[in-house]
Amino acid sequence: EIVLTQSPGTLSLSPGERATLSCRPSQSVGTSYFAWYQQKPGQPPRLLIYSTSIRATGIPARFSGRGSGTDFTLTISSLEPEDFAVYYCQQYSASYSFGQGTKLEI
Amino acid sequence: QVQLVESGGGVVQPGRSLRLSCAASGFSFSHSGMHWVRQAPGKGLEWVAVMWYDGGNEYYANSVKGRFTISKDTSRNTLYLQMNSLKVEDTAVYYCARDEYGCLDNWGPGTRVTVSS
Repeated sequence: EIVLTQSPGTLSLSPGERATLSCRPSQSVGTSYFAWYQQKPGQPPRLLIYSTSIRATGIPARFSGRGSGTDFTLTISSLEPEDFAVYYCQQYSASYSFGQGTKLEI
Repeated sequence: QVQLVESGGGVVQPGRSLRLSCAASGFSFSHSGMHWVRQAPGKGLEWVAVMWYDGGNEYYANSVKGRFTISKDTSRNTLYLQMNSLKVEDTAVYYCARDEYGCLDNWGPGTRVTVSS
């Protein structure tokens, strides 16, 4: 089983700042098999990024993803108030697994 | 547009069974893979099970293997999760989600399952 470790657990920033979230798989993951999700309280998760760097439909350009192997990053270039939420990474290279989440708070 | 709506959650005693349903619309259900994912109270996401688009392959998390069964009824556009031998640690919100080449591109609002004596 591939374990995904996200850091930091909580990230405290202000609107307009840049956010960088990290996800490190316990084994190498192909770039075609890595995604990021956003979840707000009381809502289901929403797909943000798939195949490491491709934004899902309707996702603003301030969200970007990069990485390879055992080091992946989600960047939000300039935080909007609606971006404060919990973010999860996911791999679908070997079965499926999610990271434990990063809470992005004001 | 894609719509997924789960139902069937509730309160059940340990050791009992429950069947969840997920009604799908707005896409070709018969040609789509489908997942179940759960989220325990205050916790992160845990992948539970997948049925590939052709219905010929299904895979489970180790935590539910042998107890849970995923199935699709394409005539009803409905996904199911049969949960047997429920444990307290199965308490969670259960989401169904559509598979898109391995990532989960559309999710339902979830149904809550509480396992308690």
